[in-house]
Amino acid sequence: EAQVTQNPRYLITVTGKKLTVTCSQNMNHEYMSWYRQDPGLGLRQIYYSMNVEVTDKGDVPEGYKVSRKEKRNFPLILESPSPNQTSLYFCASSYGGRDGYTFGSGTRLTVV
Amino acid sequence: GDSVTQMEGPVTLSEEAFLTINCTYTATGYPSLFWYVQYPGEGLQLLLKATKADDKGSNKGFEATYRKETTSFHLEKGSVQVSDSAVYFCALSAPGANSKLTFGKGITLSVRP
Repeated sequence: EAQVTQNPRYLITVTGKKLTVTCSQNMNHEYMSWYRQDPGLGLRQIYYSMNVEVTDKGDVPEGYKVSRKEKRNFPLILESPSPNQTSLYFCASSYGGRDGYTFGSGTRLTVV
Repeated sequence: GDSVTQMEGPVTLSEEAFLTINCTYTATGYPSLFWYVQYPGEGLQLLLKATKADDKGSNKGFEATYRKETTSFHLEKGSVQVSDSAVYFCALSAPGANSKLTFGKGITLSVRP
């Protein structure tokens, strides 16, 4: 089944404790992206990648890092999480961007 | 910059009612337009899309037509069901924009039996 898999689904952590949210897709898509969803703000892009070793900032990149060492994986790294990063995070992938993205099921992160 | 504006919600309808959710956009060039749906506790699913002016996207009884002259992509369904209760997002992807999706704020639809 074609899908984007994110882990974990839920995560509660403390301020400053580094964490990684994993994302993997099995569709051989070149484009991958991370979004965060917040009430009243909708979805905003954090980082994107157009291919292996090609990544760039989206609209709200502060406090996040990403890497794209393999085509299928695009982890999101929070080096020192803060409470304002409490959010619902989605990973998404696409063959051609303008064709539309396939989204993962989301990771609900709470930073206390 | 690019932007998407959706009508304010939430929207509550009775089963079998007609649905229209308005969406207008601002973008340079000719963006692709999308409607995504998010069911409770789930990720976003692509509902339908249109890639050029006058295209009509359709899926599961939902339709939307790409209207360049009014920069709109309104979502319609002739007869909603309880199972259509979800959050609906209008989005665009503009050419040369790193393939980023720009989303509207979403609207919650509740359909009562």
